[in-house]
Amino acid sequence: DVKVTQSSRYLVKRTGEKVFLECVQDMDHENMFWYRQDPGLGLRLIYFSYDVKMKEKGDIPEGYSVSREKKERFSLILESASTNQTSMYLCASNSGELYGYTFGSGTRLTVV
Amino acid sequence: DAKTTQPPSMDCAEGRAANLPCNHSTISGNEYVYWYRQIHSQGPQYIIHGLKNNETNEMASLIITEDRKSSTLILPHATLRDTAVYYCIVRVRDAGNMLTFGGGTRLMVKP
Repeated sequence: DVKVTQSSRYLVKRTGEKVFLECVQDMDHENMFWYRQDPGLGLRLIYFSYDVKMKEKGDIPEGYSVSREKKERFSLILESASTNQTSMYLCASNSGELYGYTFGSGTRLTVV
Repeated sequence: DAKTTQPPSMDCAEGRAANLPCNHSTISGNEYVYWYRQIHSQGPQYIIHGLKNNETNEMASLIITEDRKSSTLILPHATLRDTAVYYCIVRVRDAGNMLTFGGGTRLMVKP
């Protein structure tokens, strides 16, 4: 069964900490995405990547960065966590624009 | 991407067909209709997509009207595990692979 695996299900971090959210997919997909999901705001794209070492800003990139050193791994980095970054973070991948996305189970991050 | 309109909630009896409507009256010719669902506290799950023709897979059927202004997702025999929020998304082929979810329909399957 194809999988997108996010390293943590729940995280609690302190304001100002540097936070790493890891995502690994085993489907050899070129495209990977990081979204955050908040009540009433739906799913919002933070960053995406078409290829190794390639990244593009999504709708809300401020306060975040990403790293894609290997095809199967796409990391989201919160440079200095803030309370407004408390959210559910979802990683997804797909193999092309005609295909559906496969999502991970999500990481619920709380910044205190 | 075209805007979609879905009812905020629906109920369905277990074992019966669940028919979830979606209006996308501003859809353009190169836009596909995608359906996803999200079970509580999990990531969204792809269900099905289509352009013009009706589609069926092991999870559901997708019926798209001839004018493509609306569609219906059909879960033929709903189970309690189908309780989720269902999202209808209309998306152009070359939209940079970005996905935007609206409010969706909260389907409650009841025993």
